[in-house]
Amino acid sequence: QVQLVQSGAEVKKPGASVKVSCKASGYTFTSYDLNWVRQATGQGLEWMGWMNPNSGNTGYGQKFQGRVTITRDTSISTVYMELSSLRSEDTAIYYCARGSTILDYWGQGTLVAVSS
Amino acid sequence: QSVLTQPPSVSAAPGHKVAISCSGGSSMVGNNYISWYQQLPGTAPKVLIYDNGKRYSGVPDRFSGSKSGTSATLAITGLQTGDEAEYYCGTWDSDLSEYVFGTGTKVTVL
Repeated sequence: QVQLVQSGAEVKKPGASVKVSCKASGYTFTSYDLNWVRQATGQGLEWMGWMNPNSGNTGYGQKFQGRVTITRDTSISTVYMELSSLRSEDTAIYYCARGSTILDYWGQGTLVAVSS
Repeated sequence: QSVLTQPPSVSAAPGHKVAISCSGGSSMVGNNYISWYQQLPGTAPKVLIYDNGKRYSGVPDRFSGSKSGTSATLAITGLQTGDEAEYYCGTWDSDLSEYVFGTGTKVTVL
């Protein structure tokens, strides 16, 4: 069965960076795009960016341009999302989600808390 | 960041019907396929509807989607207490080259 398993919760100080991983299994890793979506407490879903694991091509939301980097390691079917220059407003649950026009499988979410 | 507009909340009694609208410009709703996602409290979203009106595998036929012009609608019939959740529409914005989500609608079963 398709699974996206994310790394554990993180606590970071303002100005630091965080790197969250998303390990895919149950399907051909290079056949589907992977996206990153975040959700602050009590707020809606916010798309951050995507990667094509086959080509390595990426695309980022305008809001996150220059602060987010998505990479992958095809040998272990894992995609990473790194967010830099963290601020308190970045405190949220971060999800990876498979797909392009339809996001059909989601990871369990990773809480990133930014606090001094 | 562009968003799709949804009503903040809708409610109805068990067994009744609710409809959730999702509106946006032509670059979002008008020219692209809409998906609908259900997010139960404390869990990750899951897809219910894709390509405007196709039910994802395993989704009950109480859930249906439609689109007309620059507005899409998710309808839930035979409302159940287990349907209490946040619902989001979503689509790929071809102008921005970004995935865009709706503002979210909380469904309450009275």
